Amino acid sequence: NAGVTQTPKFRVLKTGQSMTLLCAQDMNHEYMYWYRQDPGMGLRLIHYSVGEGTTAKGEVPDGYNVSRLKKQNFLLGLESAAPSQTSVYFCASTAGTYGYTFGSGTRLTVV
Amino acid sequence: EDKVVQSPLSLVVHEGDTVTLNCSYEVTNFRSLLWYKQEKKAPTFLFMLTSSGIEKKSGRLSSILDKKELFSILNITATQTGDSAVYLCAASVGNNRKLIWGLGTSLAVNP
Repeated sequence: NAGVTQTPKFRVLKTGQSMTLLCAQDMNHEYMYWYRQDPGMGLRLIHYSVGEGTTAKGEVPDGYNVSRLKKQNFLLGLESAAPSQTSVYFCASTAGTYGYTFGSGTRLTVV
Repeated sequence: EDKVVQSPLSLVVHEGDTVTLNCSYEVTNFRSLLWYKQEKKAPTFLFMLTSSGIEKKSGRLSSILDKKELFSILNITATQTGDSAVYLCAASVGNNRKLIWGLGTSLAVNP
């Protein structure tokens, strides 16, 4: 019973490089979310999905893209990384009727 | 604009003390209020509250929601050093189940 799995756990990128963060859940949840967490800023929503094939922007979507081709996977892409994207990224999912389950996080540093 | 405000921002207590953490919210299309505990990793789920006046308990932790006054409290009795963490409150809103997060209360329990 893995819950929500995020890969990778750590990554260092150079400015301008691209990467994809993977979030996989095995709970058949409809709703999935990508957050970033920065000191003093709390958790901020980047993008979210209310079902397979759907995505929508959150409060801080610029510089990120997402895809949800399969219900269990929600991918977050950084097209051209910038130092301002240095953060801890969390994926979360919910069925909508109970709590939200979080992945263990990805610590990304852009140099 | 939707907002969730937690107080106090930080708290230092001694083992055995009882603490009360506050969360007030002003959101549209409110669905539920959630509490999470975050140590140096992903948030872990504590409670989800949807009905006013019904206390939820888990060991030494309990929480209650007041939908008329738009707030919730989290109580921790007989605190232990293992309770040291950031406690996050969030309101789930709308059909997309987005979470509006507070900035958290940082609790330090000293032996």
